[in-house]
Amino acid sequence: DVKVTQSSRYLVKRTGEKVFLECVQDMDHENMFWYRQDPGLGLRLIYFSYDVKMKEKGDIPEGYSVSREKKERFSLILESASTNQTSMYLCASSPDRGGYGYTFGSGTRLTVV
Amino acid sequence: DAKTTQPPSMDCAEGRAANLPCNHSTISGNEYVYWYRQIHSQGPQYIIHGLKNNETNEMASLIITEDRKSSTLILPHATLRDTAVYYCIVRVAGTDKLIFGTGTRLQVFP
Repeated sequence: DVKVTQSSRYLVKRTGEKVFLECVQDMDHENMFWYRQDPGLGLRLIYFSYDVKMKEKGDIPEGYSVSREKKERFSLILESASTNQTSMYLCASSPDRGGYGYTFGSGTRLTVV
Repeated sequence: DAKTTQPPSMDCAEGRAANLPCNHSTISGNEYVYWYRQIHSQGPQYIIHGLKNNETNEMASLIITEDRKSSTLILPHATLRDTAVYYCIVRVAGTDKLIFGTGTRLQVFP
């Protein structure tokens, strides 16, 4: 089975800290995505990447950046964490531009205090 | 981007068919409809997708109206494990972006 692994299930960070959320997939997928999920708002796309060293902004990129140095790893970076970034973060990957191949990780619940 | 509208919640008796509706009136001709579901505390899981024709797989059936402005996901024999939030999504044409809405919370009861 395709596995998308997010490094932490739960994280607690302080306001102003730089936070790294890591995501690794093991099926050689080209595409990787970061979403955040909040009650009443559903999943919102933050950033995505179609290839190594390539990134594109999603719908809510402000306050975030990403890094994709290797095909299997896509990192989400909160440059200076704020309390409004407390959320569930979900990483996904897909093999091609088809949408149906999305495989999600289990999520990282980040709390910024 | 085409948006979708789903009822916020639905109930279904175990063993009965669950029919989950979705409106996507602004969908364009080359945009696919996808369904995912999210069981509590897990990431979303792909169910099925379609363009124009009805589709069926081992999990569900997808019925798309002829004008493509709405669709229905059918779980033929719902079980308690089908309790989840179901998302109807239109893939942005020419991209691999999936824009999720808030979905329908399906509660299957014994």
